[in-house]
Amino acid sequence: DTEVTQTPKHLVMGMTNKKSLKCEQHMGHRAMYWYKQKAKKPPELMFVYSYEKLSINESVPSRFSPECPNSSLLNLHLHALQPEDSALYLCASSRQGGPNEKLFFGSGTQLSVL
Amino acid sequence: DAKTTQPTSMDCAEGRAANLPCNHSTISGNEYVYWYRQIHSQGPQYIIHGLKNNETNEMASLIITEDRKSSTLILPHATLRDTAVYYCIVRVANFGNEKLTFGTGTRLTIIP
Repeated sequence: DTEVTQTPKHLVMGMTNKKSLKCEQHMGHRAMYWYKQKAKKPPELMFVYSYEKLSINESVPSRFSPECPNSSLLNLHLHALQPEDSALYLCASSRQGGPNEKLFFGSGTQLSVL
Repeated sequence: DAKTTQPTSMDCAEGRAANLPCNHSTISGNEYVYWYRQIHSQGPQYIIHGLKNNETNEMASLIITEDRKSSTLILPHATLRDTAVYYCIVRVANFGNEKLTFGTGTRLTIIP
């Protein structure tokens, strides 16, 4: 199984809502990543977890709250988002986070904030 | 991570080899060259990576110049399903810096 599964595939939320994005992998990978991608732009790194600990936060606003409850699961909790946060949110994983490892990406969650 | 420069777009005839160039003139000796592609509405897909030597796998070949300042991704027999945005990325070779930073990429269109 070389899949990274993201749910839901599509999400529409209001600016006062609280929602969560979920990412799961069963490859035994210990590094997991969240990326944000606006239309016609490259993916931008948001967070990196290494061995269930947050290792990189790319100065992401606090309305985005990541969580890694175990080595297979990565969540992104959303609260009080703005319309400009509408984007494709991509999850990825790699074996240990080393430089000679490829990242496996999920298909993403397309988020619309109204 | 070193910056990369790629053409904004390219066309290639179906069945021909697609050669995608990438310039990374500020690359350091310990940085890997990675290629990913993203087909519309999907997550990025790993293609190939290398440090110094040329590499080949079932998808593509990666040719890195001797001075490592540029590289070329070769898709040997392009098909319509190879239409995608191709990203060339250089990645530092230190544990504890797990970033994979995407540049603007090349939009490759395979023409029937």
